[in-house]
Amino acid sequence: NAGVTQTPKFQVLKTGQSMTLQCAQDMNHNSMYWYRQDPGMGLRLIYYSASEGTTDKGEVPNGYNVSRLNKREFSLRLESAAPSQTSVYFCATYPQGRGTDTQYFGPGTRLTVL
Amino acid sequence: EDQVTQSPEALRLQEGESSSLNCSYTVSGLRGLFWYRQDPGKGPEFLFTLYSAGEEKEKERLKATLTKKESFLHITAPKPEDSATYLCAVLSSSARQLTFGSGTQLTVLP
Repeated sequence: NAGVTQTPKFQVLKTGQSMTLQCAQDMNHNSMYWYRQDPGMGLRLIYYSASEGTTDKGEVPNGYNVSRLNKREFSLRLESAAPSQTSVYFCATYPQGRGTDTQYFGPGTRLTVL
Repeated sequence: EDQVTQSPEALRLQEGESSSLNCSYTVSGLRGLFWYRQDPGKGPEFLFTLYSAGEEKEKERLKATLTKKESFLHITAPKPEDSATYLCAVLSSSARQLTFGSGTQLTVLP
């Protein structure tokens, strides 16, 4: 039971390059999220998927796209990377039901855009 | 708009020196307030969920409390392994996602 996994763990891009961050979960949770974390700014929501087949914008969606490939996988794509997208990216999942009412986070992807 | 403010930004304690972290929030109807612990280079790890004013939850040396405007994370007799960044987040009745504070970085010195 791996929980939430993210690949890659580290990535360095040049401005204008594209890449896809992968997230997978084996907890059978319906909802999945992508956050970015920057020093002094906390976690900010980029996109989320309440269930398979649906996606919605969060607080900071510009410059990103997402795909909910199936119930297990939720990917984040940077089409043309910019230095302002240098950050740590976290994927999270969220189960239904008050008894387990919390988000579970992956280990993160550290992205540097030069 | 939901808002979460955590204080202090950083806190240094001696081992055994008890203290509290603060999380002030503004939401349009609180569905839940969450505390997470985050170690360097890792994702946030869930600690507690609080749902209503007056609720308290404990785990080892940590105790979380909730009022209508703020939550406290009390740390009793901390140890160096309690050093981490502690994050607070809220879920309002009108929102479908969490709003996070910027965290308190706790350092416990031996």
